[in-house]
Amino acid sequence: DTEVTQTPKHLVMGMTNKKSLKCEQHMGHRAMYWYKQKAKKPPELMFVYSYEKLSINESVPSRFSPECPNSSLLNLHLHALQPEDSALYLCASLVHPASNYGYTFGSGTRLTVV
Amino acid sequence: KQEVTQIPAALSVPEGENLVLNCSFTDSAIYNLQWFRQDPGKGLTSLLLIQSSQREQTSGRLNASLDKSSGRSTLYIAASQPGDSATYLCAVRRYGGSQGNLIFGKGTKLSVKP
Repeated sequence: DTEVTQTPKHLVMGMTNKKSLKCEQHMGHRAMYWYKQKAKKPPELMFVYSYEKLSINESVPSRFSPECPNSSLLNLHLHALQPEDSALYLCASLVHPASNYGYTFGSGTRLTVV
Repeated sequence: KQEVTQIPAALSVPEGENLVLNCSFTDSAIYNLQWFRQDPGKGLTSLLLIQSSQREQTSGRLNASLDKSSGRSTLYIAASQPGDSATYLCAVRRYGGSQGNLIFGKGTKLSVKP
């Protein structure tokens, strides 16, 4: 298995809802990342997990809450989002934080906040 | 601070033409450079990874070069096809960044017309 799998592919949520995005990889990678991408912009880093521990939070609002329950799974819990949070959310993985291998990205979750 | 620039922002070519996409970066202390393809609303597909010690990498009709001293990389696409239409992103990985963060350019949107 050489993929990063993200679910759901599309999500529409209201501003009072609570939802979660899921990212899974079975490549044994020990670094996992959440990126946010707005239309016609490059991806922007949100969170980095190294060996299941949060190592970087790029000043992301607390309405986004990441979780790494095990080495294969990464979640992003969403609560009280704003319409401007609508974007493509991408998950990525790396063999380990200092690896010189390339990143593997998932196909993303298209989030719309209404 | 590392900055990545991609030129041109958009490119339209007739089918069969050979083309070059450009990527430049301001800090030559990079770990590696990765070229990605992104179809509209989709995730990132890795095309080529060039380590800082390498000069080029090839995969099928794609050839990527790296000149670290001048802060430049090019992606050469031979005999372009309509299926090559997508946005191409260049990303550099900072040397010494233990968290392995990628710095992305804004991308080149390629349209190959039949």
